[in-house]
Amino acid sequence: DIQMTQSPSSLSASVGDRVAFTCQASQDIINRLNWYQQKPGKAPKLLIYDASILETEVPSRFRGSGSGTEFTLSITSLQPEDVATYYCQHYDHLPHTFGQGTKLEIK
Amino acid sequence: QVQLVQSGGEVKKPGASVKVSCKASGYTFTYYRISWLRQVPGQGLEWMGWISGDNGDTDYAQRFQGRVTMTADTSTSTAYMELGRLRSDDTAVYYCARDLGDYVGVWLYWGQGTLVTVSS
Repeated sequence: DIQMTQSPSSLSASVGDRVAFTCQASQDIINRLNWYQQKPGKAPKLLIYDASILETEVPSRFRGSGSGTEFTLSITSLQPEDVATYYCQHYDHLPHTFGQGTKLEIK
Repeated sequence: QVQLVQSGGEVKKPGASVKVSCKASGYTFTYYRISWLRQVPGQGLEWMGWISGDNGDTDYAQRFQGRVTMTADTSTSTAYMELGRLRSDDTAVYYCARDLGDYVGVWLYWGQGTLVTVSS
């Protein structure tokens, strides 16, 4: 199985800051990488697929980049509603596995 | 609009089985597969398997092989996930999810989640 490793595990930043999280795959997954946002008590929400394609209605302050084994999710101008846990997940082949998540908080 | 509505929470004893349903609406059920995932409280997400809405083909994650059965009723557009021989570490929120178009493994649509508690 492909191991997905996210860093950092938690992050605290101020409103308006630019933040970035990374996701590393244990083998080449080309660009078959999703990012999800999950708020407490809710199902995950798809933000980005194919490593960099923004899902419809996701604010443009979210940006995904990377290929191969190294990927990044960045948020420009952090907003209070961005407080959540963010997960990466590959879909190169089964089983589709997730990273352990990055918990984002506001200072 | 696409909706996936899951059955309510369950409390089960160790060794028992649980069956969770996922009723789909807003699209043609037979065009897409339904995946099942779970999330242990405070932990990450885990894919359990999927079932084709068309022909009932399934593929299960290896760690659940022999314990999980996924079925689908096309007449009611409902998918089911049954997990047997429950243990305390099966306590989790179980989700059904549907792919984004042709992107298999890109889960755009999710059910609301079903909490299954395993406790003696």
